[in-house]
Amino acid sequence: SYELTQPLSVSVALGQTARITCGGNNIGSKNVHWYQQKPGQAPVLVIYRDSNRPSGIPERFSGSNSGNTATLTISRAQAGDEADYYCQVWDSSISWVFGGGTKLTVL
Amino acid sequence: EVQLVESGGGLVQPGRSLRLSCAASGFTFDDYAMHWVRQAPGKGLEWVSGISWNSGSIGYADSVKGRFTISRDNAKNSLYLQMNSLRAEDTALYYCAKDWGYYYGSGNAFDIWGQGTMVTVSS
Repeated sequence: SYELTQPLSVSVALGQTARITCGGNNIGSKNVHWYQQKPGQAPVLVIYRDSNRPSGIPERFSGSNSGNTATLTISRAQAGDEADYYCQVWDSSISWVFGGGTKLTVL
Repeated sequence: EVQLVESGGGLVQPGRSLRLSCAASGFTFDDYAMHWVRQAPGKGLEWVSGISWNSGSIGYADSVKGRFTISRDNAKNSLYLQMNSLRAEDTALYYCAKDWGYYYGSGNAFDIWGQGTMVTVSS
């Protein structure tokens, strides 16, 4: 089976840069998508195919993917960025996989 | 406005059945694959099932294979999930999600999500 590993939590000071990682075997060969989920709300797509931002997502959100780690980077973090973040990939052996999620706290 | 609205959730006893529905609007429904994703209380996201634009390709998570059936009616812009032999571990908020592409396994992102419908399996 294919697993995605995310840190349970990440903290960042207001205005600083947060980096949330997603680890998986040779994940660099896959397309990674990232979702933001605020309490009581549905997930929202923030990055698709490693590094692309959907319309309406601020430029502060960016992504990269290489080797065994994909990274979601949030620059100039704001209080409104506090949320759970999930990475996702398609693996032909087991279909769709989500990471366990990372809770981002903005201090 | 692009919108997905789920319905059909509720409290059900173990072993019983439930059918979820998802009504789509604001986009050409039959151009896209669709998915069901669930989230147990306080837990992460789990993909449940996906169906391609013309129902020609369907997939299930191992945890629901043989018990759940996904279907769609493009004439009614609707997605369904028939859930049989329900278990306590199926208790979750079930989201309907739109795929960016037409095939459920193309690796495209899920760009639109509904607000979910809660399913509670308990005696």
